[in-house]
Amino acid sequence: QQQVKQSPQSLIVQKGGISIINCAYENTAFDYFPWYQQFPGKGPALLIAIRPDVSEKKEGRFTISFNKSAKQFSLHIMDSQPGDSATYFCAIHRRGSGNTPLVFGKGTRLSVIA
Amino acid sequence: ETGVTQSPTHLIKTRGQQVTLRCSSQSGHNTVSWYQQALGQGPQFIFQYYREEENGRGNFPPRFSGLQFPNYSSELNVNALELDDSALYLCASSFERAGELFFGEGSRLTVL
Repeated sequence: QQQVKQSPQSLIVQKGGISIINCAYENTAFDYFPWYQQFPGKGPALLIAIRPDVSEKKEGRFTISFNKSAKQFSLHIMDSQPGDSATYFCAIHRRGSGNTPLVFGKGTRLSVIA
Repeated sequence: ETGVTQSPTHLIKTRGQQVTLRCSSQSGHNTVSWYQQALGQGPQFIFQYYREEENGRGNFPPRFSGLQFPNYSSELNVNALELDDSALYLCASSFERAGELFFGEGSRLTVL
């Protein structure tokens, strides 16, 4: 059973446009929701993360929107640039009591074209 | 500050062989997690080591085993290799079990 579902599988965005990637999860016990960015030949790197006590977190051009009742969260990349072309993974994590390992979505391959 | 380093970066094995992958954790980190990333997929949790003890395991058979050493570096061993074991193996270190994960660049294993 897939614990976190990510969509779309791939995304093509014009330079300067907004990239939106969505994730949905089942278990409300998770308390940490990070997004990772992975370039070819590299390991995943933490991009931005949110906890369920806030509905939005913004860092530069990257924003996470979190809907606790719908059990969904999304990554928005504003003013997308060719350098943002990478694979993005959402993940879910339980850091509190009874912590569990990080569980990743299947990834979204983003291509930003000029 | 040295990041997570993994070796080897690439290797090719044949079915039935055994492989050992190595990981040096980031300075100050006492926890190492191993993930398997098949082509086009997200990383899948194999197991975690904390203070030299296995602390959680994903849905992987016993032929996947590991070690953590007193300096917190770690090894992943896979016995009786199968074609489906071909993947990128990622090591991530963290400070404590629920801490932020910092990934290495991975070891790409090809099983023929």
